[in-house]
Amino acid sequence: DIQMTQSPSSLSASVGDRVTITCRASQSISRHLNWYQQKPGKAPKVLIYAAASLQSGVPPRFSGSGSGTDFTLTISSLQPEDFATYYCQQSYNTPRTFGGGTKVEIK
Amino acid sequence: QVQLQESGPGLVKPSGTLSLTCAVSGGSISSTNWWNWVRQPPGKGLEWIGEIYHSGSTNYNPSLKSRVTISVDKSKNHFSLKLASVTAADTAVYYCATPSHFCSGGNCYWYFDLWGRGTLVTVSS
Repeated sequence: DIQMTQSPSSLSASVGDRVTITCRASQSISRHLNWYQQKPGKAPKVLIYAAASLQSGVPPRFSGSGSGTDFTLTISSLQPEDFATYYCQQSYNTPRTFGGGTKVEIK
Repeated sequence: QVQLQESGPGLVKPSGTLSLTCAVSGGSISSTNWWNWVRQPPGKGLEWIGEIYHSGSTNYNPSLKSRVTISVDKSKNHFSLKLASVTAADTAVYYCATPSHFCSGGNCYWYFDLWGRGTLVTVSS
């Protein structure tokens, strides 16, 4: 199985801050990497697919980069509605695997 | 548009079998797509359980493979999950989900863009 390691596991930030979350795969996955946002009691919502493509309807303050084993999700200016947990997920092969999550909290 | 809705018992006894159904509305389960189950224990991360194609082909997570069966019922336009020999560790919110894909440069990239609302299943006597 491909292991996905996210860091940090949690962070505190203020509205307007630039936030960066990283995800590392245990082997090369090319650009087969997706990012999801999950709010309490809700299903995950895809933000970025194929490492850097913005899902329709997602604000452009979200961006993704990387390929191979190292990936980054960036929120350019954190908004109140962005406080949530973020997960990376590889779709290179099965079993599909997720990172452990990064909880973004209000400072 | 296509919507997914999970249903099934919210409480299962230890050593029993967890059974859930995901109803597909607004579209046909026979469309060219894979139908997935993902779970999330309370306060923890996401775990992929497995997937089924409308033809019946399946892929399972090796960590659960010996206990999992995913099936599709085209006549009812739904797919199902059975997890046998459950323990408290199987207590989780269970989601059904289906991916879209994006193809570029000869590669296709899959991502889960459609999810059900999830259903909590508790394993307890």
